[in-house]
Amino acid sequence: ETGVTQTPRHLVMGMTNKKSLKCEQHLGHNAMYWYKQSAKKPLELMFVYNFKEQTENNSVPSRFSPECPNSSHLFLHLHTLQPEDSALYLCASSQDLLYTDTQYFGPGTRLTVL
Amino acid sequence: GQQVMQIPQYQHVQEGEDFTTYCNSSTTLSNIQWYKQRPGGHPVFLIQLVKSGEVKKQKRLTFQFGEAKKNSSLHITATQTTDVGTYFCAARSSGNTGKLIFGQGTTLQVKP
Repeated sequence: ETGVTQTPRHLVMGMTNKKSLKCEQHLGHNAMYWYKQSAKKPLELMFVYNFKEQTENNSVPSRFSPECPNSSHLFLHLHTLQPEDSALYLCASSQDLLYTDTQYFGPGTRLTVL
Repeated sequence: GQQVMQIPQYQHVQEGEDFTTYCNSSTTLSNIQWYKQRPGGHPVFLIQLVKSGEVKKQKRLTFQFGEAKKNSSLHITATQTTDVGTYFCAARSSGNTGKLIFGQGTTLQVKP
């Protein structure tokens, strides 16, 4: 499946580094999402964007900064992360925010914070 | 806030045995979606249930939505090694158009 792509697929960074995760969807969807998936925890919704506008920030620490320049691209800027931020970061998209809309996930970025 | 509880957390079965995972909510749901995540992979949409009491089938998988729209189940008949993975339910409360809440997932292991 290549509907939603994410780069990089793996990232190792120190706590003082600044890095960015990129997500691109080729499905013509209007809504995009960032999720965090840690071991033995459910998927945690981080941010929701609809038509480039942020509609949800799920109490995410400011060291995570999202950016949505257009409906097809979503970034997650990272700075001064903590080791507990190590996780799989998944991007997803859906047609809109209707309750019947299904979400299409990208392959994820496996992040390790040293 | 809304929570979606999913049980069991893990299930080990012998190939050929049946498997069921359950999803429960304290609030009435608009709909429920099921996703599967293979080891090392990402969640992939399986199916959506919208109507009270709805039952849908996909080959050996049977999905059910409760009459009160507060619970759902996924049943796999005669499991195969290809069924290995984590199954997530996801739902929105009635009237909520934005936030999709995922259950904790049930990880299925199938012994050949």
